[in-house]
Amino acid sequence: NAGVTQTPKFQVLKTGQSMTLQCAQDMNHNSMYWYRQDPGMGLRLIYYSASEGTTDKGEVPNGYNVSRLNKREFSLRLESAAPSQTSVYFCASRFGQGGEQYFGPGTRLTVT
Amino acid sequence: AQKVTQAQTEISVVEKEDVTLDCVYETRDTTYYLFWYKQPPSGELVFLIRRNSFDEQNEISGRYSWNFQKSTSSFNFTITASQVVDSAVYFCALSGVSSGSARQLTFGSGTQLTVLP
Repeated sequence: NAGVTQTPKFQVLKTGQSMTLQCAQDMNHNSMYWYRQDPGMGLRLIYYSASEGTTDKGEVPNGYNVSRLNKREFSLRLESAAPSQTSVYFCASRFGQGGEQYFGPGTRLTVT
Repeated sequence: AQKVTQAQTEISVVEKEDVTLDCVYETRDTTYYLFWYKQPPSGELVFLIRRNSFDEQNEISGRYSWNFQKSTSSFNFTITASQVVDSAVYFCALSGVSSGSARQLTFGSGTQLTVLP
């Protein structure tokens, strides 16, 4: 089992460029999540998908879109990157109620 | 609304000392889950423990122990005889049933623990 995988690991964008962060899990989990981590602020939820076919906004959704492609994959898109989106992005998945979330290794994104 | 507070931003101890990381939470849910995660310098997030709101038993796992007290809304984490490898950022997190089936996590801001040799 690879668990939760994310690509790319690092990315540098110029302001206004777009990109998609990919996430996949092989644990047959229903729920998937995207978080961003900024210094001193812990992790903040961007978007989540409770199950295949559904997506909802989290705490900080502005500037992002998501797609739950199938049960395994959940992508995060930045349509027009801004320096404020410089952060580390984590994808996570969870199986049942109350279960712990399993995190991917993260993507370090810098927007110049 | 849910909130998790980790008031200790940074803690520094000398190896073999015991250290307690504090976590205080707020929720209106009567059923909820509490978690601790570790983030070592390599950056990944490692799950340590989960507790549900109906189980106030303290738990010990090797050098780690957790003290869950509903009366004070606290879920503190103690490392006994700390080691340099314990140096990491530790996050406390909360998930309540009011968040629906997705069970989103609300994280505290983390405590940076540095264990000096």
